[in-house]
Amino acid sequence: QSALTQPRSVSGSPGQSVTISCTGTSSDVGGYNYVSWYQQHPGKAPKLIIYDVSKRPSGVPDRFSGSKSGNTASLTISGLQAEDEADYYCCSYAGSYTWVFGGGTKLTVL
Amino acid sequence: EVQLVESGGVLVQPGGSLRLSCAVSGFTFSSYAMTWVRQAPGKGLEWVSVISGGGGSAYYADSVKGRFTISRDNSKNTLFLQMNSLRAEDTAVYYCAKSPGRAVAGTGWLDYWGQGTLVTVSS
Repeated sequence: QSALTQPRSVSGSPGQSVTISCTGTSSDVGGYNYVSWYQQHPGKAPKLIIYDVSKRPSGVPDRFSGSKSGNTASLTISGLQAEDEADYYCCSYAGSYTWVFGGGTKLTVL
Repeated sequence: EVQLVESGGVLVQPGGSLRLSCAVSGFTFSSYAMTWVRQAPGKGLEWVSVISGGGGSAYYADSVKGRFTISRDNSKNTLFLQMNSLRAEDTAVYYCAKSPGRAVAGTGWLDYWGQGTLVTVSS
C-alpha cells in the first residue's frame, strides 16, 4: 500500500490552467476506474471534487476535470481562481477493499 | 443537512488504547458504508478503515490491521474506531467520511467528511 505519487507543488496565475498528476501502478490507478480527487484548504476537512476518474459531484464547478491514462490520473483546473489555492489529493482503489491516497499537491495561485 | 462530528481524540501514551466516535445526522446512516481517514500533522491523507452499512464487512490498512477495529451502532447513528497498541506514528487527525453506497465497493469515494479529531500518542 505505497502512496500514489503526486508533485509536491504546482502553481499558476489567475485564469490559467494547471494539471496535477497522480501516478500509481497497475494494481491501483491502472487497474480500476476508481480514482477520486479531494481539495483541502488549511485547517479544513477534505472536499470531494472528482470521483470515478472524471465525474464531478453536484456543485463542483466544471473548471475541475479528471482523466486517466495507464497508471497515471490527472486533475486539471482551468480558469484558475484565488480560492482554488489549496492542497489536492488523489485516491485510488487498490484492490481487496483497500484504498490508497497520493502524497498531496500544494496549488499556489500566483 | 449532512453532519459528521468526530470525538474522542486525546493525548495517550504509547501502547495505550482509545475509542473514537463519529456521530452522524442528515442521512440514513445504515444505508451507507463509512470510512476512517487520518492525517498526520503536516502530512498527507491516509486511508485507515471502512465498514459496510450493515456492519458485517470491515477492512483495514496494513498499518493498523490487528490493532484497530471499526464498528458502528446503526440505532445510534454512530461510527466507532477502537484503537489499541497505539504508536507514535498513529498521531494524526482522524476523519470519518461517508461512502456512496451500503456495500463496500471499489468506487469508494467519500462525499461527506467530518472536521476531524486529533489523536496524539506521546509519553
